[in-house]
Amino acid sequence: AQSVTQLGSHVSVSEGALVLLRCNYSSSVPPYLFWYVQYPNQGLQLLLKYTSAATLVKGINGFEAEFKKSETSFHLTKPSAHMSDAAEYFCAVTNNDMRFGAGTRLTVKP
Amino acid sequence: KAGVTQTPRYLIKTRGQQVTLSCSPISGHRSVSWYQQTPGQGLQFLFEYFSETQRNKGNFPGRFSGRQFSNSRSEMNVSTLELGDSALYLCASSLGSGDAYEQYFGPGTRLTVT
Repeated sequence: AQSVTQLGSHVSVSEGALVLLRCNYSSSVPPYLFWYVQYPNQGLQLLLKYTSAATLVKGINGFEAEFKKSETSFHLTKPSAHMSDAAEYFCAVTNNDMRFGAGTRLTVKP
Repeated sequence: KAGVTQTPRYLIKTRGQQVTLSCSPISGHRSVSWYQQTPGQGLQFLFEYFSETQRNKGNFPGRFSGRQFSNSRSEMNVSTLELGDSALYLCASSLGSGDAYEQYFGPGTRLTVT
């Protein structure tokens, strides 16, 4: 069965610093991988998805993620954090049903 | 296009009662999935409906059920509520059923069981 593990339940960065949120997946078949963001009292918003077309996936709000099969990773990055990026981020994998990671809460310090 | 809407947004129920939550998908979307989000268990898949048929089901007891109507709107029902059912229930819609289809989430219904 597929699953994802997010390393670090909390990540804190300064405004303007690099954002790196880690996600490792486990899947017996080539996976579809997603990153979602959730702001307080809201649903999830899709940031980007990997569907095997390209290993470097660009998403909304300046985020991107790179699929590395050898490392079974799909880490999310953004070159320069903005205060509005503070939220909870979820990595997910799907193979008939979607499995989410436990989430990483990103704090951005001024 | 209007996004996924869920009603009600907030709900307070008593143990033993039952509850029905509603989800209206994005126009043209035929698949609706439901998720439960709690601080302890995180986001967990409940079930997916496509063209009025349950396509997939997560590992939840039979107290949790759902259905989908011909207009793709979906409802989920929880009977004999327990304190542990307190959660944010999220609905997501997609054009079709399958891994490649993006899911669009509603704002959720926050259920509190007392």
